[in-house]
Amino acid sequence: AQSVTQLDSQVPVFEEAPVELRCNYSSSVSVYLFWYVQYPNQGLQLLLKYLSGSTLVKGINGFEAEFNKSQTSFHLRKPSVHISDTAEYFCAALSSNTGKLIFGQGTTLQVKP
Amino acid sequence: NAGVTQTPKFQVLKTGQSMTLQCAQDMNHEYMSWYRQDPGMGLRLIHYSVGAGITDQGEVPNGYNVSRSTTEDFPLRLLSAAPSQTSVYFCASNGGSLNTEAFFGQGTRLTVV
Repeated sequence: AQSVTQLDSQVPVFEEAPVELRCNYSSSVSVYLFWYVQYPNQGLQLLLKYLSGSTLVKGINGFEAEFNKSQTSFHLRKPSVHISDTAEYFCAALSSNTGKLIFGQGTTLQVKP
Repeated sequence: NAGVTQTPKFQVLKTGQSMTLQCAQDMNHEYMSWYRQDPGMGLRLIHYSVGAGITDQGEVPNGYNVSRSTTEDFPLRLLSAAPSQTSVYFCASNGGSLNTEAFFGQGTRLTVV
C-alpha cells in the first residue's frame, strides 16, 4: 500500500531562520514525490517535484528537497524563511503504476516576526 | 488557459439532498482525481480515473459516485448528503507518467446541514 506521513503538524519558526518540514513515504512500487503549498483560502500550488535523477531538487520561492531512498524520506528545506512563507505544506506521492496521488496530513508553517 | 475548473465554489445542502460537483480540465490529461480536505487530515483521495470510462476508488469513496464519459469532465456525485460530508473538495488532473505534475481546481466548499 502507498502512504505518506508528515511528521509535524505545525512548525513555528522565526523570520530568516532555516526550516525543515519532514516527509516519509512508503510504497511497494516506484513513486514520484511532490511538495505542494496552500495559502489561506486558495488551491494547491506545486513547489517542487522529484521524478528521477539528482536527489536534490530545487523549487520555487527558494525551497529545496532531498530524496533519500534508503530512509524513504523527502524532506523540504529553506535556509531563510519569510513571513510570506506562512502556509500549509503538503507532501505527496504518485504511484508509477496506478496513477494514484496520495497526500500526507499537511504541515502548517507559521513564520513569526 | 483555464486549467482545472470546479463549480460551484460554495454550496449548502440539507441532509439527504443530492448534488453533483463539476470538474473540467482543458489540458487533455488522462488522470483526474477528487479529494476532500478536512482539518488535520490533509487531502484524502475519494475517487480517481486513469482515462475515459475508467474509474477506481480512493481512500474514502463511501457516499460518492463518479463517472468519466469524456477526457475533459469528471463529475462527483453525492447521492444523499450527510453532515460528515461537510468539507472542501478539490479536483485535480495530471497527464500520467510522462507529465506527472497535478493541477488543482480552486475547490468547492460544501456544508451539509
